[in-house]
Amino acid sequence: GAVVSQHPSWVICKSGTSVKIECRSLDFQATTMFWYRQFPKQSLMLMATSNEGSKATYEQGVEKDKFLINHASLTLSTLTVTSAHPEDSSFYICSAPLQEGSGELFFGEGSRLTVL
Amino acid sequence: AQSVTQLGSHVSVSEGALVLLRCNYSSSVPPYLFWYVQYPNQGLQLLLKYTSAATLVKGINGFEAEFKKSETSFHLTKPSAHMSDAAEYFCAVSAFGGGSQGNLIFGKGTKLSVKP
Repeated sequence: GAVVSQHPSWVICKSGTSVKIECRSLDFQATTMFWYRQFPKQSLMLMATSNEGSKATYEQGVEKDKFLINHASLTLSTLTVTSAHPEDSSFYICSAPLQEGSGELFFGEGSRLTVL
Repeated sequence: AQSVTQLGSHVSVSEGALVLLRCNYSSSVPPYLFWYVQYPNQGLQLLLKYTSAATLVKGINGFEAEFKKSETSFHLTKPSAHMSDAAEYFCAVSAFGGGSQGNLIFGKGTKLSVKP
């Protein structure tokens, strides 16, 4: 199966700093990647759709200036949480479709962010 | 618009007993449906998917699910639970339905506990 990898798995930062999370498709190319956020004991909520070579599409209520997404290549998308605050602490998960139109997504391992 | 409802946030079964996790969906187009499993602090792993072919879908680890259009259901079952099945299970529908590359809409998840 397809492999999607995230880095880092865990990150702790001070309030006010910025944190970058990488999402890589290791054995396939992905023109689209999705970023989800998962609060404790809750489901995944789509934050944004990352598009290679163009701007990301953000879901309603997600601050695009706070959650910067860059899809620089067909195998890498990054999520940068800018000026992080404790309420940004969460589990962030990326995913990508192996085949466009398949409806099936492959997920990264997730990145747990803790903002002190 | 698509949505997913998982009945029961927590299900507990004894080892060797039948596992039944319920999922009902709403979709304005023929749906693609998925079941994912999430182990603690990990991303999501696909268990099985329904993509308009056979209504009874077999997945990994002995799980299967049956698509019932008349009941708008896609319940997940396993004849005999194993301790290693303890995890969080998410039902999901493809957001745009059919063969779109669209993101997934997730249910709130059901935590499965397996008692020895």
